Amino acid sequence: QQPVQSPQAVILREGEDAVINCSSSKALYSVHWYRQKHGEAPVFLMILLKGGEQKGHEKISASFNEKKQQSSLYLTASQLSYSGTYFCGTLSQGGSEKLVFGKGMKLTVNP
Amino acid sequence: SAVISQKPSRDICQRGTSLTIQCQVDSQVTMMFWYRQQPGQSLTLIATANQGSEATYESGFVIDKFPISRPNLTFSTLTVSNMSPEDSSIYLCSVGVGATDTQYFGPGTRLTVL
Repeated sequence: QQPVQSPQAVILREGEDAVINCSSSKALYSVHWYRQKHGEAPVFLMILLKGGEQKGHEKISASFNEKKQQSSLYLTASQLSYSGTYFCGTLSQGGSEKLVFGKGMKLTVNP
Repeated sequence: SAVISQKPSRDICQRGTSLTIQCQVDSQVTMMFWYRQQPGQSLTLIATANQGSEATYESGFVIDKFPISRPNLTFSTLTVSNMSPEDSSIYLCSVGVGATDTQYFGPGTRLTVL
């Protein structure tokens, strides 16, 4: 089941903050966040594991609410380099070891 | 992490022909995956490439159309067979690394079918 991401697109000015949400209808084992710039491959940002362990990018934070089956990615003091499409990928509890990706959120950061 | 390379990086092919895409990883990995990404869309898993056994295909993808090889723990190929314009996409290989199977993506192969 594909996770649902919101919002679909955001335009920011440099220095502003953004929150990207990812929700699933299934109980989750982990949530993985990626950023993809146009014409490039997705780049791993962060993984959030059931039980609260968090690993990833030093300038981007995230939360994982296991009960609500939701994750949020927090981009603070955005930089021009943050522009791109952000995808969450989810691994379900008791499921196979295959990530299912959301449709993505396109972030544009302007000067 | 893992360093992943893909060949070719892009190609333009004629309808009805086949293209084989190679994926090379700089370390041995258990899990290798092939994805398709159509323009402006999300990442769709085609199959999981298993070393020493048949690939596992997702719903909507079949071995006759997308045969996969996985001869060892560092290499895999995906063939797109009997291509049509609908196969125009970016094809990405991905590997799972570490205890949490964090996935890293190769640079992708941009395929255009005329």
